[in-house]
Amino acid sequence: EPEVTQTPSHQVTQMGQEVILRCVPISNHLYFYWYRQILGQKVEFLVSFYNNEISEKSEIFDDQFSVERPDGSNFTLKIRSTKLEDSAMYFCASSRTSGDQETQYFGPGTRLLVL
Amino acid sequence: GENVEQHPSTLSVQEGDSAVIKCTYSDSASNYFPWYKQELGKRPQLIIDIRSNVGEKKDQRIAVTLNKTAKHFSLHITETQPEDSAVYFCAALNYGQNFVFGPGTRLSVLP
Repeated sequence: EPEVTQTPSHQVTQMGQEVILRCVPISNHLYFYWYRQILGQKVEFLVSFYNNEISEKSEIFDDQFSVERPDGSNFTLKIRSTKLEDSAMYFCASSRTSGDQETQYFGPGTRLLVL
Repeated sequence: GENVEQHPSTLSVQEGDSAVIKCTYSDSASNYFPWYKQELGKRPQLIIDIRSNVGEKKDQRIAVTLNKTAKHFSLHITETQPEDSAVYFCAALNYGQNFVFGPGTRLSVLP
Protein backbone atom coordinates (compact mmCIF):
# COMPACT_ATOMS: atom_id res chain seq x y z
CA GLU A 1 0.00 0.00 0.00
CA PRO A 2 1.48 3.40 -0.94
CA GLU A 3 2.58 5.62 1.91
CA VAL A 4 3.71 9.17 2.44
CA THR A 5 7.44 9.29 3.15
CA GLN A 6 9.48 11.98 4.86
CA THR A 7 13.17 12.76 5.20
CA PRO A 8 15.10 13.18 7.36
CA SER A 9 13.54 11.33 10.27
CA HIS A 10 15.48 13.54 12.71
CA GLN A 11 17.08 16.94 12.26
CA VAL A 12 19.13 18.87 14.79
CA THR A 13 19.97 22.47 13.98
CA GLN A 14 21.28 25.62 15.61
CA MET A 15 18.92 28.49 16.27
CA GLY A 16 18.89 30.87 13.30
CA GLN A 17 19.78 28.22 10.76
CA GLU A 18 17.60 27.25 7.83
CA VAL A 19 16.14 23.75 7.55
CA ILE A 20 14.33 22.01 4.74
CA LEU A 21 12.01 19.13 5.50
CA ARG A 22 11.15 16.84 2.65
CA CYS A 23 8.08 14.81 1.87
CA VAL A 24 7.06 12.50 -0.93
CA PRO A 25 3.27 12.35 -1.02
CA ILE A 26 1.30 9.39 -2.35
CA SER A 27 1.70 9.50 -6.11
CA ASN A 28 -1.89 10.09 -7.26
CA HIS A 29 -2.67 12.59 -4.52
CA LEU A 30 -3.24 16.22 -5.37
CA TYR A 31 -3.48 17.96 -2.01
CA PHE A 32 -0.55 18.27 0.37
CA TYR A 33 -0.36 19.41 3.94
CA TRP A 34 2.11 20.16 6.68
CA TYR A 35 1.28 19.76 10.35
CA ARG A 36 3.26 20.34 13.50
CA GLN A 37 3.10 18.49 16.80
CA ILE A 38 4.97 19.86 19.78
CA LEU A 39 5.95 17.07 22.15
CA GLY A 40 2.96 15.84 24.12
CA GLN A 41 0.53 18.20 22.43
CA LYS A 42 -2.04 17.94 19.67
CA VAL A 43 -1.41 18.00 15.96
CA GLU A 44 -1.64 21.53 14.53
CA PHE A 45 -2.32 22.48 10.94
CA LEU A 46 0.31 24.64 9.22
CA VAL A 47 -0.47 24.82 5.51
CA SER A 48 -2.24 23.13 2.62
CA PHE A 49 -1.04 23.16 -0.98
CA TYR A 50 -2.78 22.45 -4.25
CA ASN A 51 -2.00 23.13 -7.89
CA ASN A 52 1.37 24.62 -7.01
CA GLU A 53 0.07 27.19 -4.61
CA ILE A 54 -0.91 27.53 -0.98
CA SER A 55 -4.63 26.87 -0.42
CA GLU A 56 -4.75 27.78 3.21
CA LYS A 57 -2.36 28.53 6.04
CA SER A 58 -2.68 28.89 9.77
CA GLU A 59 -1.43 31.71 11.95
CA ILE A 60 1.55 29.52 12.85
CA PHE A 61 2.70 29.61 9.22
CA ASP A 62 4.36 33.02 9.27
CA ASP A 63 7.00 34.55 7.00
CA GLN A 64 9.75 32.23 8.24
CA PHE A 65 7.95 29.27 6.66
CA SER A 66 7.61 28.43 3.00
CA VAL A 67 6.54 25.42 1.00
CA GLU A 68 7.48 24.26 -2.43
CA ARG A 69 6.86 21.43 -4.84
CA PRO A 70 10.16 21.54 -6.71
CA ASP A 71 9.40 18.56 -8.94
CA GLY A 72 6.65 16.06 -9.57
CA SER A 73 7.20 14.08 -6.42
CA ASN A 74 8.67 16.14 -3.57
CA PHE A 75 6.93 18.58 -1.29
CA THR A 76 9.15 20.62 1.01
CA LEU A 77 8.77 22.79 4.08
CA LYS A 78 11.48 25.39 4.63
CA ILE A 79 12.00 27.15 7.92
CA ARG A 80 14.22 30.12 7.20
CA SER A 81 15.59 31.12 10.58
CA THR A 82 14.76 28.50 13.15
CA LYS A 83 13.74 29.40 16.68
CA LEU A 84 13.83 27.25 19.78
CA GLU A 85 10.05 27.01 19.74
CA ASP A 86 10.14 25.44 16.27
CA SER A 87 11.29 22.21 17.91
CA ALA A 88 8.53 19.74 17.15
CA MET A 89 7.55 16.78 15.04
CA TYR A 90 6.56 17.90 11.55
CA PHE A 91 4.14 15.70 9.64
CA CYS A 92 3.42 15.83 5.97
CA ALA A 93 0.08 14.50 4.72
CA SER A 94 -1.59 14.09 1.38
CA SER A 95 -5.05 13.43 0.02
CA ARG A 96 -6.61 12.88 -3.40
CA THR A 97 -9.06 15.69 -2.92
CA SER A 98 -9.77 18.31 -0.33
CA GLY A 99 -12.82 18.40 1.86
CA ASP A 100 -14.94 15.45 2.66
CA GLN A 101 -14.26 13.37 -0.40
CA GLU A 102 -11.07 11.80 0.76
CA THR A 103 -8.97 11.33 3.84
CA GLN A 104 -5.52 12.57 4.63
CA TYR A 105 -2.66 10.13 5.05
CA PHE A 106 0.24 11.11 7.24
CA GLY A 107 3.93 10.56 6.74
CA PRO A 108 6.14 9.24 9.56
CA GLY A 109 7.26 12.71 10.55
CA THR A 110 10.51 14.60 10.96
CA ARG A 111 11.57 15.36 14.48
CA LEU A 112 13.19 18.79 14.49
CA LEU A 113 15.30 19.91 17.42
CA VAL A 114 16.50 23.49 17.50
CA LEU A 115 19.36 24.18 19.90
CA GLY B 1 -13.27 28.97 13.56
CA GLU B 2 -13.69 25.35 14.56
CA ASN B 3 -12.81 24.22 18.07
CA VAL B 4 -12.62 20.56 19.01
CA GLU B 5 -12.66 19.31 22.57
CA GLN B 6 -11.91 15.76 23.59
CA HIS B 7 -12.57 13.80 26.77
CA PRO B 8 -11.17 12.15 28.72
CA SER B 9 -7.53 13.18 28.41
CA THR B 10 -6.43 9.83 29.84
CA LEU B 11 -8.29 6.55 30.03
CA SER B 12 -7.25 3.25 31.58
CA VAL B 13 -9.26 0.09 30.99
CA GLN B 14 -8.76 -3.57 31.69
CA GLU B 15 -8.04 -5.79 28.73
CA GLY B 16 -11.31 -7.00 27.27
CA ASP B 17 -13.31 -4.02 28.48
CA SER B 18 -14.70 -1.29 26.24
CA ALA B 19 -13.31 2.22 25.86
CA VAL B 20 -15.25 5.30 24.82
CA ILE B 21 -13.73 8.64 23.84
CA LYS B 22 -15.92 11.63 23.12
CA CYS B 23 -15.31 14.75 21.05
CA THR B 24 -17.36 17.88 20.65
CA TYR B 25 -17.00 20.43 17.90
CA SER B 26 -18.22 23.99 17.54
CA ASP B 27 -18.75 24.58 13.82
CA SER B 28 -22.05 23.12 12.66
CA ALA B 29 -20.77 23.25 9.08
CA SER B 30 -18.13 20.61 9.82
CA ASN B 31 -18.99 17.47 7.93
CA TYR B 32 -16.15 14.99 8.20
CA PHE B 33 -14.81 13.46 11.42
CA PRO B 34 -11.82 11.13 11.41
CA TRP B 35 -10.17 9.37 14.31
CA TYR B 36 -6.42 8.87 14.36
CA LYS B 37 -4.35 6.54 16.52
CA GLN B 38 -0.84 7.63 17.33
CA GLU B 39 1.68 5.34 18.96
CA LEU B 40 4.64 6.88 20.69
CA GLY B 41 6.94 8.59 18.20
CA LYS B 42 4.95 7.48 15.18
CA ARG B 43 2.64 9.04 12.65
CA PRO B 44 -1.08 9.49 13.25
CA GLN B 45 -2.87 6.61 11.55
CA LEU B 46 -6.46 6.83 10.45
CA ILE B 47 -8.52 4.15 12.16
CA ILE B 48 -12.06 5.16 11.29
CA ASP B 49 -13.95 8.15 9.97
CA ILE B 50 -17.53 9.28 9.62
CA ARG B 51 -19.24 11.76 7.37
CA SER B 52 -22.08 14.00 8.41
CA ASN B 53 -24.72 12.09 6.47
CA VAL B 54 -24.14 8.98 8.58
CA GLY B 55 -24.95 8.45 12.25
CA GLU B 56 -22.83 5.41 12.98
CA LYS B 57 -20.05 3.40 11.40
CA LYS B 58 -18.43 0.21 12.55
CA ASP B 59 -15.26 -1.63 11.62
CA GLN B 60 -14.69 -4.80 13.61
CA ARG B 61 -13.96 -3.73 17.20
CA ILE B 62 -14.08 -0.02 16.43
CA ALA B 63 -17.17 2.12 15.97
CA VAL B 64 -17.86 5.82 15.69
CA THR B 65 -21.16 7.56 16.38
CA LEU B 66 -22.10 11.07 15.35
CA ASN B 67 -24.77 13.31 16.83
CA LYS B 68 -24.98 16.33 14.57
CA THR B 69 -27.61 18.07 16.66
CA ALA B 70 -25.46 17.95 19.76
CA LYS B 71 -22.26 18.38 17.74
CA HIS B 72 -20.45 15.47 19.26
CA PHE B 73 -18.98 12.22 18.03
CA SER B 74 -17.56 9.29 19.90
CA LEU B 75 -15.09 6.49 19.37
CA HIS B 76 -15.98 3.09 20.80
CA ILE B 77 -13.43 0.31 21.10
CA THR B 78 -14.73 -3.05 22.27
CA GLU B 79 -12.76 -6.02 23.60
CA THR B 80 -9.71 -3.84 24.12
CA GLN B 81 -6.25 -5.35 23.73
CA PRO B 82 -2.87 -4.13 24.97
CA GLU B 83 -1.96 -3.09 21.42
CA ASP B 84 -4.83 -0.60 21.50
CA SER B 85 -2.76 1.44 23.96
CA ALA B 86 -1.93 4.73 22.21
CA VAL B 87 -3.00 8.35 21.96
CA TYR B 88 -6.21 8.83 20.02
CA PHE B 89 -7.00 12.11 18.26
CA CYS B 90 -10.31 13.14 16.86
CA ALA B 91 -10.58 15.83 14.20
CA ALA B 92 -13.24 17.85 12.45
CA LEU B 93 -13.17 19.14 8.91
CA ASN B 94 -15.32 21.71 7.21
CA TYR B 95 -15.33 21.29 3.45
CA GLY B 96 -12.76 23.60 1.96
CA GLN B 97 -11.12 24.11 5.33
CA ASN B 98 -8.63 21.94 7.12
CA PHE B 99 -8.47 19.63 10.05
CA VAL B 100 -8.78 20.86 13.57
CA PHE B 101 -7.58 18.19 15.94
CA GLY B 102 -8.71 17.50 19.46
CA PRO B 103 -6.10 17.50 22.23
CA GLY B 104 -5.90 13.70 22.33
CA THR B 105 -6.75 10.88 24.73
CA ARG B 106 -4.07 8.61 26.09
CA LEU B 107 -5.57 5.13 26.30
CA SER B 108 -3.89 2.49 28.42
CA VAL B 109 -5.14 -1.08 28.23
CA LEU B 110 -4.01 -2.99 31.30
CA PRO B 111 -3.38 -6.73 30.94
